[in-house]
Amino acid sequence: QVQLVESGGGLVKPGESLRLSCAASGFIFSDSYMNWVRQIPGKGLEWVSYISTSGTSMFYADSVRGRFTTSRDNAKNSVFLQMNSLRAEDTAIYYCARGPKYFGRLYSFDYWGQGVLVTVSS
Amino acid sequence: DIRLTQSPSFLSASVGDRVTITCRASQDISSHVAWYQQEPGKAPKLLIYLASTLQSGVPSRFSGSGSGTEFTLTISSLQPEDFGTYYCQQFNSYPLTFGGGSRVVIK
Repeated sequence: QVQLVESGGGLVKPGESLRLSCAASGFIFSDSYMNWVRQIPGKGLEWVSYISTSGTSMFYADSVRGRFTTSRDNAKNSVFLQMNSLRAEDTAIYYCARGPKYFGRLYSFDYWGQGVLVTVSS
Repeated sequence: DIRLTQSPSFLSASVGDRVTITCRASQDISSHVAWYQQEPGKAPKLLIYLASTLQSGVPSRFSGSGSGTEFTLTISSLQPEDFGTYYCQQFNSYPLTFGGGSRVVIK
């Protein structure tokens, strides 16, 4: 069955870096768009980043552009989120989510990981 | 950026009730909308994509409609397991955006 398992979360100080990983299984990873979505506990969902199937095209939310970088390793069925210059407002649960390719485009996130908590605090 | 406004933000309904949630977009997004249900402490679950296509395995009491700037998610007969927060999301252009959420509680 499809599984997405995030790891790498934790407590860091403002200005520090953290790298999240998401290990995928149960589907053809190299055929899927991958995304990161975050959620402040008790609040709404915020899309963070997208990476294409080949890893050559990425998009970011304005709030993280220039600080966060998403990448993928199709040989290892994994997607990553490198988070630099972290701020208190980046504190959230981070989910990786699969976007199935439908007629060559992204129209939904059909599988989500369980989420990993990132806390940025001094 | 495309802004999605959901209404109501909170609703309380009884089992068997028909429930409708609306999502309005700040500009034309064709039919590029998905709907999710999120229970407390869990990841969101995809219900509907492309405005009206039911995701595999989702009960048929859920339906979606709309195009352009106005979209609706309808639960034809509310069940106890339908509690949670519902979100719309647009896939028309980047940055992808979510609505603010509609929390559904069972009376």
